[in-house]
Amino acid sequence: EDKVVQSPLSLVVHEGDTVTLNCSYEVTNFRSLLWYKQEKKAPTFLFMLTSSGIEKKSGRLSSILDKKELFSILNITATQTGDSAIYLCAESRDDKIIFGKGTRLHILP
Amino acid sequence: NAGVTQTPKFQVLKTGQSMTLQCAQDMNHNSMYWYRQDPGMGLRLIYYSASEGTTDKGEVPNGYNVSRLNKREFSLRLESAAPSQTSVYFCASKELLWDNEQFFGPGTRLTVL
Repeated sequence: EDKVVQSPLSLVVHEGDTVTLNCSYEVTNFRSLLWYKQEKKAPTFLFMLTSSGIEKKSGRLSSILDKKELFSILNITATQTGDSAIYLCAESRDDKIIFGKGTRLHILP
Repeated sequence: NAGVTQTPKFQVLKTGQSMTLQCAQDMNHNSMYWYRQDPGMGLRLIYYSASEGTTDKGEVPNGYNVSRLNKREFSLRLESAAPSQTSVYFCASKELLWDNEQFFGPGTRLTVL
């Protein structure tokens, strides 16, 4: 069965904290690992990772891929209430994209 | 460019009714997808179309049919709706099957009573 596993499933932190979200995947026909942020409606694209060990960064968000251990992490530093959302990890394969269940992140003011 | 559009935005059906969810993209993408999203389940792939004229089952195809009408449009049909199909449905597209970034529509919230 196709599996992309995210942890934790939910997380509540205070504004200013740093969070790390985890994603593990399977290796079959792997092309890339994708991260999305979903607030009220459709997911919005954050990062695409194809190479191990190379950090992608956008403002306070960063992500890295480990192709040997088959996982990726998404870091958010100095969190703000606007970071509250569901963060989705997805594995892009040759023929389809498989999503994890997501991590629901809630930032308390 | 409108990107990926979906209609309707909201729909309430009774058990046994049928309906078609419409999706269109104006980015000249070859591949299109239908997902459903349920609380705690993430996005699950229903059907996809790698290119015009082809469709394939995803993880949860039972109870659904699709039509790739042309390159722009990919519709999802529920022939006999069931309460278990209450969900938010997202359409997505990408340029090529092996291209990595998908673009999503705004979603259709469907309730089956």
